[in-house]
Amino acid sequence: NAGVTQTPKFRILKIGQSMTLQCTQDMNHNYMYWYRQDPGMGLKLIYYSVGAGITDKGEVPNGYNVSRSTTEDFPLRLELAAPSQTSVYFCASSVGLHTYQETQYFGPGTRLLVL
Amino acid sequence: AQSVTQLDSHVSVSEGTPVLLRCNYSSSYSPSLFWYVQHPNKGLQLLLKYTSAATLVKGINGFEAEFKKSETSFHLTKPSAHMSDAAEYFCVVSAPNTGFQKLVFGTGTRLLVSP
Repeated sequence: NAGVTQTPKFRILKIGQSMTLQCTQDMNHNYMYWYRQDPGMGLKLIYYSVGAGITDKGEVPNGYNVSRSTTEDFPLRLELAAPSQTSVYFCASSVGLHTYQETQYFGPGTRLLVL
Repeated sequence: AQSVTQLDSHVSVSEGTPVLLRCNYSSSYSPSLFWYVQHPNKGLQLLLKYTSAATLVKGINGFEAEFKKSETSFHLTKPSAHMSDAAEYFCVVSAPNTGFQKLVFGTGTRLLVSP
């Protein structure tokens, strides 16, 4: 089991460029999440998905889009990169049966710098 | 609404001495509580979680935490620090929520371990 994997590990973008952060899990989890972590702060939820074809906004969705065509993959799209999107991005997944008591499993993160 | 306060942004200990990382929470419901650890340039790893069973929770690597409802606290302890414990620690609260697991993260405590 690789768990939750994310690519790339690090990326530098110019303002206005777009990119997709990839996230894959091999645990057959129903729920997947995208978070961002800014310096000195806890993680903030960007988007989540409760299953293939079902996504919804989290706390800080502006400037991002997601899709979930398969159980395994949950890519995060930045359309017009802005300096405010400089952050570390984490993908997570959970089984999705016992909701608030479940463990979320996190990927290693993608560090994004927008200049 | 849920919230988490980690009372110390940095904690410094010597190797072999006890560790105490403090966390207070606020929740309208009976919560689940988690401690995650983040080593430099790594993803988040679950240390332990409380889900309304035993109030003293034992986790990995010798860590444990005690849920105290009367004090709304969930402090993390370890009897003897090891150099490898140096990392960022996040206290997280989760409460019943419609549709998905909403995690609220504290701002983190950086543990420094000196020889």
